[in-house]
Amino acid sequence: KAGVTQTPRYLIKTRGQQVTLSCSPISGHRSVSWYQQTPGQGLQFLFEYFSETQRNKGNFPGRFSGRQFSNSRSEMNVSTLELGDSALYLCASSFRGNSYEQYFGPGTRLTVT
Amino acid sequence: AQSVTQPDIHITVSEGASLELRCNYSYGATPYLFWYVQSPGQGLQLLLKYFSGDTLVQGIKGFEAEFKRSQSSFNLRKPSVHWSDAAEYFCAVVSSGNTGKLIFGQGTTLQVKP
Repeated sequence: KAGVTQTPRYLIKTRGQQVTLSCSPISGHRSVSWYQQTPGQGLQFLFEYFSETQRNKGNFPGRFSGRQFSNSRSEMNVSTLELGDSALYLCASSFRGNSYEQYFGPGTRLTVT
Repeated sequence: AQSVTQPDIHITVSEGASLELRCNYSYGATPYLFWYVQSPGQGLQLLLKYFSGDTLVQGIKGFEAEFKRSQSSFNLRKPSVHWSDAAEYFCAVVSSGNTGKLIFGQGTTLQVKP
């Protein structure tokens, strides 16, 4: 079974621009969660989608948004980029049955200049 | 509020030596606990998990962890470390009532000396 895939793997954007990141979960997994990883703040939860609905949201500004499609693929969008948005963005999928295990993709490295 | 603490930011061990990485959690009920490993530039790989039952759980790559409720700990162990184990290790707990959210510790970087 293929793992979680994220595209693109690397991205360089300019402050003020917007960016869209994509995540394809493991086949059969219906839940997708997004995390931001930075050296200063560590791993922080952004949001979770299940069956095309946002189930949970972390403590991030409204510039961070996401969505999930009927095939469980998910995108996250960051508008009006700030330098502090530079981070590794990780997507994780889970079956959302009795298991709470999350399986992570390789991440998208976003650099804002 | 729930939290996970990994007291050791950086640990260095010699190849072949035993390893123990510490993890303490703050959680009201029985927690769902995980250990993940991250190699440089990579995503997180699940090493092992604890949901209930036997408090000593086995994972991949020869790792094990022991859940101790009385100490609110879930320490990761390996009897003999290999150079390829050098990486960053994260302990995590599932957020109460919020199963899609993992709360992570700050991570422990493991360096292995030849």
